[in-house]
Amino acid sequence: QVQLVQSGAEVKKPGASVKLSCKATGYTFSDYYIHWVRQAPGQGLEWMGIINPSFVRTTYAQKFQGRVTMTRDRSTSTVYMELNSLISEDTAVYYCARDGDIYGAYGGFFDYWGRGTPVIVSS
Amino acid sequence: QSVLTQPPSVSAAPGQRVTISCSGSSSNIGNNYVSWYQQLPGTAPKLLIYGDNQRPSGIPDRFSGSKSGTSATLGITGLQTGDEADYYCGTWDNSLSARVFGGGTKLTVL
Repeated sequence: QVQLVQSGAEVKKPGASVKLSCKATGYTFSDYYIHWVRQAPGQGLEWMGIINPSFVRTTYAQKFQGRVTMTRDRSTSTVYMELNSLISEDTAVYYCARDGDIYGAYGGFFDYWGRGTPVIVSS
Repeated sequence: QSVLTQPPSVSAAPGQRVTISCSGSSSNIGNNYVSWYQQLPGTAPKLLIYGDNQRPSGIPDRFSGSKSGTSATLGITGLQTGDEADYYCGTWDNSLSARVFGGGTKLTVL
C-alpha cells in the first residue's frame, strides 16, 4: 500500500537550517508529484511547494522562494525539503503529500499524506 | 488570512446533515477544481473529495462536494461523533501560482 514515511522531529535554533525527508513506498516513485505542506500550532494548512520526482522540476510558494529547496533521490524513492534561515514562525508540523492527479485531469489533489514531522525553532 | 474563506466552526446533532462552505474568487475556485480534507485531532489530513465532487475509494457517500461559481460546499449527512474534525478546502490559485487552502472549519457533533 502507498505510504509516505517522514523523518523524525527536529529542534533547531533561529538562523539554522533543517532538512526533512519523505520516503515513498507502494507505488512508482517517479509517476507522482510530491507536495510539502506545513501547519503551525493551532493553525491551518500552508502549501510550500511541489517537486516532480521524475524530472526534478520544482515550484515553490512565493513566500518560501530563496529559503526552501526540494530535492529527490530516485535510488531510495525519497524526497527532501530543506528550509534555511529558520525563525520561530517556522515552528510547525511539516507534511509531505502525494499529488494523486496523475493525468492532470482534476487540477491536483493530495491523496496520501505522511504523518508529519514536527519542527521546533527556539533559542 | 487565508485566500479561501471557511466558517470557523459548524455544529449539528448526530444523524443530522451539515454543510461547510468555501468561498474564493475567479482566480481560484471559479476556474479550478476544489478538493476537501478531513483532519482528525492529532493526525494528518485525509482526502475526502477531489475534482469538486469526486469521492476517492473508501470514502462513504455520506460525504459530498459541490461547486457553484466561486464557492464550494462540502456536505456531510448522517453525522457521527467520529466526524468531529477540522475540514479544509483547497484549490489552485492562478494569480498566486500556488495551492491555497481555506482556514479550516471545526465540526462539532453535539
